[in-house]
Amino acid sequence: GAVVSQHPSWVICKSGTSVKIECRSLDFQATTMFWYRQFPKQSLMLMATSNEGSKATYEQGVEKDKFLINHASLTLSTLTVTSAHPEDSSFYICSARESYSNQPQHFGDGTRLSIL
Amino acid sequence: GNSVTQMEGPVTLSEEAFLTINCTYTATGYPSLFWYVQYPGEGLQLLLKATKADDKGSNKGFEATYRKETTSFHLEKGSVQVSDSAVYFCALSDLGSGTYKYIFGTGTRLKVLA
Repeated sequence: GAVVSQHPSWVICKSGTSVKIECRSLDFQATTMFWYRQFPKQSLMLMATSNEGSKATYEQGVEKDKFLINHASLTLSTLTVTSAHPEDSSFYICSARESYSNQPQHFGDGTRLSIL
Repeated sequence: GNSVTQMEGPVTLSEEAFLTINCTYTATGYPSLFWYVQYPGEGLQLLLKATKADDKGSNKGFEATYRKETTSFHLEKGSVQVSDSAVYFCALSDLGSGTYKYIFGTGTRLKVLA
């Protein structure tokens, strides 16, 4: 149980394009979803927290107009990297939690984004 | 503020050796504590958790005990295998955030040699 699917797993695109990453909870309703960024050999950096039907809460230093997050349903959240540039290349990971509580987060397998 | 400190890696062990990865935390209140494992190119998998003092989480031969007196949650395994090679993250849930977001440690890379 508690499976989170993230798609795509790998994307390469040209500078200036926008890229959308999907995060789905397959067997539970995700009240809260989180988006992280991970640099090579480093820990996860929380970018934003989204609750279903509400605007995302972004961490300090994360540009909300650059990283658009939508959490329109209890099973789907999307992260759109707008006008991507090489410095946006990274490993992006989503996680989902079942309720407004202290339960564990369940993670997707991540998306490796490479901007040329 | 809340924080998690993990021992620096990499940790290199021979197969069947005993493993300890130290994790200490600073937090207000009584956070839940978690260990996650990340294999190359993948997301994080929940390894074990503990929600209150003296709780012991265990899974796949790994164990960790929530020690409030020493603010620690050290990960242990009696006999490691090559397949345990991965990066291990200690995390606490931040009760003060309102969303119980995680505070992660820096991660400890484990390499097990055959």
